[in-house]
Amino acid sequence: AQTVTQSQPEMSVQEAETVTLSCTYDTSENNYYLFWYKQPPSRQMILVIRQEAYKQQNATENRFSVNFQKAAKSFSLKISDSQLGDTAMYFCAFMKHFDYGQNFVFGPGTRLSVLP
Amino acid sequence: NAGVTQTPKFRVLKTGQSMTLLCAQDMNHEYMYWYRQDPGMGLRLIHYSVGEGTTAKGEVPDGYNVSRLKKQNFLLGLESAAPSQTSVYFCASSDAYLPSVGKAFFGQGTRLTVV
Repeated sequence: AQTVTQSQPEMSVQEAETVTLSCTYDTSENNYYLFWYKQPPSRQMILVIRQEAYKQQNATENRFSVNFQKAAKSFSLKISDSQLGDTAMYFCAFMKHFDYGQNFVFGPGTRLSVLP
Repeated sequence: NAGVTQTPKFRVLKTGQSMTLLCAQDMNHEYMYWYRQDPGMGLRLIHYSVGEGTTAKGEVPDGYNVSRLKKQNFLLGLESAAPSQTSVYFCASSDAYLPSVGKAFFGQGTRLTVV
C-alpha cells in the first residue's frame, strides 16, 4: 500500500516571499503520478500541479514548481511570490500509473497562511 | 458550467437515521468518487465508480453504499448513521483519458454531523 506524509501541519509566509511545502511518500511502484492539490477556505479542491514519475524534469505551473526526487521519494512544492490568495490547505497526493479508477492517496495536508 | 454539484451542503442527523448525498456532474466524466475528509487525515476514498452501473469499494467503505444509475449522478447512502461518520464528504469526477489523469474536479463538500 502507498502512503503519503506531509510533516508540516502548518506554515506561514509573508506576501511576495517564497515558501516550500514538503511531501514524502512510500511505494514499491516504479510508474506513478504525484500531485499537489489546494483547498482554499471555500473547501473546493483545485489541482495545482502534476508530476509523472518517469519524467526527470520537474513540473512548473507559473509561480508553482516542484522538486521531485524519485530515489528519495520526496516531492516538495515551491510557491514563489506568495499571494494572499495562496492561503489554503495543500494536499500532496499519489496515484499509481494505469490505476483502475484513477484513485488518489492523499497526505494529511499542510495549512499555509500568507501574511500581508 | 456547474462542474460538480453536491446536495445538501450541510446536514445534521441523529444516530440511526439514514440519508442520501447526491453528486451530479455535467462534464460527461466516466469516473466518479466519494471521499471523506477528517482533521489530520486528508481525504480518504469511500467508494468510486468507473462508469454507469459500476461501483467499487475504496479505503473506508464500511457503513456506506453507493449507486450510479446514470452517468452524471453518483449517490452516497448512509443506512444507519453513526457519530463516527461525522465528517466532510467530497464528491469528485474525472475523465478516463491519459492526458487528464489526476485532474479531478471536486464538489464543495457536504458537512455532515451525526449526533
